[in-house]
Amino acid sequence: RKEVEQDPGPFNVPEGATVAFNCTYSNSASQSFFWYRQDCRKEPKLLMSVYSSGNEDGRFTAQLNRASQYISLLIRDSKLSDSATYLCVVNLGGYNKLIFGAGTRLAVHP
Amino acid sequence: ETGVTQTPRHLVMGMTNKKSLKCEQHLGHNAMYWYKQSAKKPLELMFVYSLEERVENNSVPSRFSPECPNSSHLFLHLHTLQPEDSALYLCASSQMRAGGSYNEQFFGPGTRLTVL
Repeated sequence: RKEVEQDPGPFNVPEGATVAFNCTYSNSASQSFFWYRQDCRKEPKLLMSVYSSGNEDGRFTAQLNRASQYISLLIRDSKLSDSATYLCVVNLGGYNKLIFGAGTRLAVHP
Repeated sequence: ETGVTQTPRHLVMGMTNKKSLKCEQHLGHNAMYWYKQSAKKPLELMFVYSLEERVENNSVPSRFSPECPNSSHLFLHLHTLQPEDSALYLCASSQMRAGGSYNEQFFGPGTRLTVL
């Protein structure tokens, strides 16, 4: 079983749509959780941390369910500039050991 | 220069060559990381250096040899690589805080390596 599993997509959505990505992780000892964004042929960049209470940053909402080992990201009012691959990431602690999912590709079209 | 820089950005090498990848961070961080990203696969952690000491080797073959001469620089020395080693190699840095926790990792732009 993969340590972090994501639907690879692609998700093709029109501008203005709401889109949701899901992710599951296998290690119950995972300590912290993130969504990173990676544009084509670029490095990953932190989008947001994910907390059990749920957290929002503008059009982006992240949710964590520790009991189900499940993480989600909701993007409202999609923009063309949201087109990218979204990486679900868990931190196993120690020396900041990050485990990445393979990513979900999002394509927003006019 | 700001953030994390990597050189070269692209590298083509034969299986018998020896080359080195360089990473430099300008963020004052004290931890550095090497990752490998192959096509259609997740990023894989290769090595972790904390306070200039290697603290994790994620079962990486010996043909990859890291070096961390100081807290700002990280190298990955390559020798007798295989075509399946072709990938994007990413460097990252973060800061270990008092108490042993770390803040977020910042990534460099990567070196795209092709082994012929």
